[in-house]
Amino acid sequence: GAVVSQHPSRVICKSGTSVKIECRSLDFQATTMFWYRQFPKQSLMLMATSNEGSKATYEQGVEKDKFLINHASLTLSTLTVTSAHPEDSSFYICSAVGGDRGNYEQYFGPGTRLTVT
Amino acid sequence: QKEVEQDPGPLSVPEGAIVSLNCTYSNSAFQYFMWYRQYSRKGPELLMYTYSSGNKEDGRFTAQVDKSSKYISLFIRDSQPSDSATYLCAPQYNNNDMRFGAGTRLTVKP
Repeated sequence: GAVVSQHPSRVICKSGTSVKIECRSLDFQATTMFWYRQFPKQSLMLMATSNEGSKATYEQGVEKDKFLINHASLTLSTLTVTSAHPEDSSFYICSAVGGDRGNYEQYFGPGTRLTVT
Repeated sequence: QKEVEQDPGPLSVPEGAIVSLNCTYSNSAFQYFMWYRQYSRKGPELLMYTYSSGNKEDGRFTAQVDKSSKYISLFIRDSQPSDSATYLCAPQYNNNDMRFGAGTRLTVKP
């Protein structure tokens, strides 16, 4: 199956700082990558969709200036949480579509747990 | 009304039991119906999916979709302790836009 990695797996930062999370498709070219956020005991909420070389499309209620997404290549997308606050503490998960499975199966990364103190 | 409704449980069953997990959805435009399994503090992994209405079987797992009633089911036969996880239904539009249910937390007791 397709493999998606995320780095770091966990990060703790101070309020007001910025944090960058990387999402990589290791064995396929991802035409589209997605970023989700998951709070404890809740389901995944889609934050944004990004296609390589174009601007991300953000879901309603997600601040694009706070959550910067860059999809610079077919194997890498980054999410930068700018001026992080404690309420941004969450589990951030990326997914990717592409490869020989077509464009309707999303493969998820292992997630990044962000804690803002 | 939420686009996808799923009972979060928790659901606890003895080993060997048949498990039935269900979701309902509101938008008839969904075309693919995915089931993901998520272990604690891990990303979801795709279990199986169906396209439009019908059944699909994969080993001990069977997925069913009834588009007329907007009802999605996942059955697990001969459940094992290793099946203990949160199961998320996720209907998807044709354009990869997917909506997750709340997830049902399942525990299979030895």
